Amino acid sequence: DVKVTQSSRYLVKRTGEKVFLECVQDMDHENMFWYRQDPGLGLRLIYFSYDVKMKEKGDIPEGYSVSREKKERFSLILESASTNQTSMYLCASSSGQGAGEPQHFGDGTRLSIL
Amino acid sequence: AQTVTQSQPEMSVQEAETVTLSCTYDTSESDYYLFWYKQPPSRQMILVIRQEAYKQQNATENRFSVNFQKAAKSFSLKISDSQLGDAAMYFCAYRRSPMNYGGSQGNLIFGKGTKLSVKP
Repeated sequence: DVKVTQSSRYLVKRTGEKVFLECVQDMDHENMFWYRQDPGLGLRLIYFSYDVKMKEKGDIPEGYSVSREKKERFSLILESASTNQTSMYLCASSSGQGAGEPQHFGDGTRLSIL
Repeated sequence: AQTVTQSQPEMSVQEAETVTLSCTYDTSESDYYLFWYKQPPSRQMILVIRQEAYKQQNATENRFSVNFQKAAKSFSLKISDSQLGDAAMYFCAYRRSPMNYGGSQGNLIFGKGTKLSVKP
């Protein structure tokens, strides 16, 4: 089974801090994604990566950056955390074998910015 | 731009009964994929079922089946013999095909979700 592991289930940070969310997958997947999930809004794509050192902006990239130095690891960075970034963050990965391949999700990180 | 609409924020079903969750989408593409994902409370989101648009036959996975109406751009999920473990948020998602590297064409577009409760 594919395993996508997010480093923290719960995280509390302060406004202005630089925050790192880590995600690791064990299936040698080419594609990795970061989503934000808010009640009533569903999942919104922040950034995705289709290869090492490659990244593309999603629908809501403002205030975020990403890093993919190794194939298995995809990091989401909040450059200067703000209270409106309090949310559930989901990481996902998928193979590059075709559009029908499903995305596999991690357990999520519930981030609170105080 | 493609959009996915789930018109039922919440649904409820009696255990052992059947429930249908609605999903409509908007696209000008002719070839694409549709997915239903399930997110149990405080648990990982998992794939329930997927449908390829060029296939006429509706996908089925055990108690889960879809009613795919391409002309109407409708993709509903039917859960038969509902069980307590089916209680979850259900998300409908769309992906354009084929997936092109370097662009957003391969990304999933999600609906806002339907919260399903199962009554014992």
